[in-house]
Amino acid sequence: DIQMTQSPSTLSASVGDRVTITCRASQSIGSYLAWYQQKPGKAPKLLIYKASILDNGVPSRFGGFGSGTEFTLTISSLQPDDFATYYCQQYDPNSGTFGQGTKVQI
Amino acid sequence: QLQLVQSGPELKKPGSSVRVSCRASGGTFRYAVSWVRQAPGQGLQWMGRIIPLLGTTVYAQEFQGRVTITADRAATIAYMDLKGLGFEDTAVYFCAASTATGRTDADIWGQGTLVSVSS
Repeated sequence: DIQMTQSPSTLSASVGDRVTITCRASQSIGSYLAWYQQKPGKAPKLLIYKASILDNGVPSRFGGFGSGTEFTLTISSLQPDDFATYYCQQYDPNSGTFGQGTKVQI
Repeated sequence: QLQLVQSGPELKKPGSSVRVSCRASGGTFRYAVSWVRQAPGQGLQWMGRIIPLLGTTVYAQEFQGRVTITADRAATIAYMDLKGLGFEDTAVYFCAASTATGRTDADIWGQGTLVSVSS
């Protein structure tokens, strides 16, 4: 299976900060990359699919970039509602591995 | 609006099997239905997916031979069967699906089903 390496595992930031999370695939996945946000006790929420397309209703401060093996999620100006854990997931036709997660905390 | 409704919590003995269901409420599955689990305090772990209209399945290597994902051809309900349960299988199990045809990411999720394995 394809391995996904996400970094950092924890990120301390303040409201208004610009933050970036990185995800690396062990082999090329084209643009089959999604980003999810999860809050405690809740199901994950899709933010971005196909590496850079915002899902419906996702604020424009979220942005995704990359293709092949290197991907990033950027939050341009962190808001109080954004403190959560973020996961990348590759979803090529034969698998669907998640990264280890990045907890964004105050 | 399509929602995913999962079956209730399960308490199982080691070595037994569990079946978790995921019903499409307000419509049918558009394309792929995936199963993802999350052990207490841990990250998300993809288990596999099915495309009900095609009847095709893909499983994560670590679950091969132990998990079976099925769905009815009417694309209204999906099941995840996991056998040979161990304490390490205690987790919340989610089903997830896309509301768009041809996509295998997941923009809708079930509420999660807690499976506890205890002697």
